[in-house]
Amino acid sequence: GAVVSQHPSWVICKSGTSVKIECRSLDFQATTMFWYRQFPKQSLMLMATSNEGSKATYEQGVEKDKFLINHASLTLSTLTVTSAHPEDSSFYICSARDGAGWESGELFFGEGSRLTVL
Amino acid sequence: GQNIDQPTEMTATEGAIVQINCTYQTSGFNGLFWYQQHAGEAPTFLSYNVLDGLEEKGRFSSFLSRSKGYSYLLLKELQMKDSASYLCASMDSNYQLIWGAGTKLIIKP
Repeated sequence: GAVVSQHPSWVICKSGTSVKIECRSLDFQATTMFWYRQFPKQSLMLMATSNEGSKATYEQGVEKDKFLINHASLTLSTLTVTSAHPEDSSFYICSARDGAGWESGELFFGEGSRLTVL
Repeated sequence: GQNIDQPTEMTATEGAIVQINCTYQTSGFNGLFWYQQHAGEAPTFLSYNVLDGLEEKGRFSSFLSRSKGYSYLLLKELQMKDSASYLCASMDSNYQLIWGAGTKLIIKP
């Protein structure tokens, strides 16, 4: 199957600093990538849909100025958590579809990035 | 509203069979997915159903009834490595995935 790589896997930062997480599709082009957040023992929560060459579409309740998404190329999307606070500590996961059609179905996930804000 | 329901936790014995149920209510329907997620890892794809019936893939099978808004994941010959959370997700009319909270499956020797 298609491969999505996410970096870094683990990051610890001080409160008030910014953290950038990268998501790459290694063997396919992804015009659309998805960013999720998952708190312990909870389901995946879609934060935003990242579209190559255009602005991301954020879900209700997600602060676009705090979670900056850039999808500069067909293989790279980045999520920057600005002025991170302890409540932003979570597991952040990106995913992408391999295929032009929305109905192609399967999502390929990155390995996830565990953010801990001290 | 959109809603996915699945049990929070299930326990089964190694070598046995377990069925994890999922009911869904979404705005439109474009298929039902099952993903496996081990603790601390990202989900991995298990199955996709869009037509009624049973899809078998090795030890895992997935069933869908669109009229009942119901799906189940059947795991046979359980192995210890099957201990994980199993996520049910329905794709709505906008091709967005609506996720259930996941079922934590505990396998005992």
